[in-house]
Amino acid sequence: DVKVTQSSRYLVKRTGEKVFLECVQDMDHENMFWYRQDPGLGLRLIYFSYDVKMKEKGDIPEGYSVSREKKERFSLILESASTNQTSMYLCASSRRNWETQYFGPGTRLLVL
Amino acid sequence: SQKIEQNSEALNIQEGKTATLTCNYTNYSPAYLQWYRQDPGRGPVFLLLIRENEKEKRKERLKVTFDTTLKQSLFHITASQPADSATYLCARGEPGGYNKLIFGAGTRLAVHP
Repeated sequence: DVKVTQSSRYLVKRTGEKVFLECVQDMDHENMFWYRQDPGLGLRLIYFSYDVKMKEKGDIPEGYSVSREKKERFSLILESASTNQTSMYLCASSRRNWETQYFGPGTRLLVL
Repeated sequence: SQKIEQNSEALNIQEGKTATLTCNYTNYSPAYLQWYRQDPGRGPVFLLLIRENEKEKRKERLKVTFDTTLKQSLFHITASQPADSATYLCARGEPGGYNKLIFGAGTRLAVHP
């Protein structure tokens, strides 16, 4: 079974803090994705990566950056957290030419 | 821009009935549509994929249809059970483009005993 794990289930941070969210997958998937999910808005793509050290902006990249130094690990960074980044963050992975995405359990981030 | 629209109101049905959820898309037909299930506090789980040239797909009690004329996909759960209660997400995808998906906001289904 594919397993996607995220470093924290719940996180509380202060405005202005730098926040790191980590995602690890164990199935050698090429593609990895970061989404945020807000009520009524669904999942919105922040960034994705199709290979090590490669990244592409999604629909809402502002205020975020990412890092993929190893194939299995994809990190989302909030350079200076703001209250409007309070959300559920979901990581997903997929094979290069395979449509199905496998999701982690999510990290619920609260920025005070 | 491409959009996916799902009924934001929760769907309440009695156990044993068929639940039908709707997914509408805008502009051109996607190469495929996917349906995911999401339980509270958890990540979505893939259920079914249907391609543009397929009219219908089944998996156990689940059935998905794809109507390119109506620009719509219907997701059916037959003989529904309380354990089917969850939020169901529809997503459109394109070939290439690293298989990015555009998700709808989801429809919450509640199956009552």
